[in-house]
Amino acid sequence: DTEVTQTPKHLVMGMTNKKSLKCEQHMGHRAMYWYKQKAKKPPELMFVYSYEKLSINESVPSRFSPECPNSSLLNLHLHALQPEDSALYLCASSQDRTEGYGYTFGSGTRLTVV
Amino acid sequence: QQPVQSPQAVILREGEDAVINCSSSKALYSVHWYRQKHGEAPVFLMILLKGGEQKGHDKISASFNEKKQQSSLYLTASQLSYSGTYFCGTREITTGNQFYFGTGTSLTVIP
Repeated sequence: DTEVTQTPKHLVMGMTNKKSLKCEQHMGHRAMYWYKQKAKKPPELMFVYSYEKLSINESVPSRFSPECPNSSLLNLHLHALQPEDSALYLCASSQDRTEGYGYTFGSGTRLTVV
Repeated sequence: QQPVQSPQAVILREGEDAVINCSSSKALYSVHWYRQKHGEAPVFLMILLKGGEQKGHDKISASFNEKKQQSSLYLTASQLSYSGTYFCGTREITTGNQFYFGTGTSLTVIP
């Protein structure tokens, strides 16, 4: 299995809703990432988990809450989002955070906040 | 620090060559290259490590000049399937594990 699987593919949520994005990989990768991508822009790093521990939080608002229940699974919990949070949310994984390894990306969740 | 790519956009005819440049103001451990097609996830192309190297597979290759903190991606005899947005990604020495995607280059190959 050489894939990163993200669900759901599309999500529409109201500003008062709580929802979660899910990301799964079975490649034995020990680093997992959440990125946010706006149209025609590069992906922006949100969170990094290394060996199931949060190692980087790029000053992301608390309405985004990551969770890494085990080495194969990464969640992003969403609460009280704003319309400007609408974007493509990408999950990625890599062997680990040392050099020499590229990132494998999931196909993303396209989030619309109404 | 986000690396800067040039050109921002390029249109090629099938069979033509292209070069995409990635430049950072910081000393780098490594440079990654990714291609993202519209509506899809970025796909890893290659990684170049500190030590100054050149890599390639098929008709896509890249070089990394660590002294100039620059990398170039070379696409030769372009095919329609090469269309997409190309991003470099850099890991800086001074900021340790921080990894930044470049500004992106939109490449369109036309028949």
